[in-house]
Amino acid sequence: DAGVTQSPTHLIKTRGQQVTLRCSPKSGHDTVSWYQQALGQGPQFIFQYYEEEERQRGNFPDRFSGHQFPNYSSELNVNALLLGDSALYLCASSSRQGVYGYTFGSGTRLTVV
Amino acid sequence: KQEVTQIPAALSVPEGENLVLNCSFTDSAIYNLQWFRQDPGKGLTSLLLIQSSQREQTSGRLNASLDKSSGRSTLYIAASQPGDSATYLCAVTKNNFNKFYFGSGTKLNVKP
Repeated sequence: DAGVTQSPTHLIKTRGQQVTLRCSPKSGHDTVSWYQQALGQGPQFIFQYYEEEERQRGNFPDRFSGHQFPNYSSELNVNALLLGDSALYLCASSSRQGVYGYTFGSGTRLTVV
Repeated sequence: KQEVTQIPAALSVPEGENLVLNCSFTDSAIYNLQWFRQDPGKGLTSLLLIQSSQREQTSGRLNASLDKSSGRSTLYIAASQPGDSATYLCAVTKNNFNKFYFGSGTKLNVKP
């Protein structure tokens, strides 16, 4: 049973560029959440998708946007990249009720130069 | 706003020691609490999930307790091994289908 799959694993971008990160949830999960983890800190919630709609959003600017597809996979898009966007981006999936907690992917390491 | 604090920030112990990691949260109205392990540069591996109605969960050498009223959880690791070296994160949710609030983690180093 495949867990949460994220791609790519590493990415280097230049300031001002745009980036798209991808996530495939664990089999049987229908909800996807995205987190940003800066070095030495705990993950910070970006947003959550369910039924192809953004259901919750953390304190992130509109440069961060996302999408969920009918097969429950999701994308995270970041426009006008800043140096401060350099971080590990984690995707987590769960079933609708979240009773059994969340399963996290291995993350995408984004470096903005 | 929920604040999650983990103490200590770092811990170094010799192999074989029993140890306790602490997690505190400011809002006791949580839905569940989950402990994760994170190896350097990697994603999160779930260790234990405690529902708000539960007091503790055990898995192998790991035992996690939850005291909602005092806003505390502890992760007990028995007979530590070098392979246990990692950062341990605790996280709480306010209700089902909700975001996690994470602590900053405890970085554990178990020396051979």
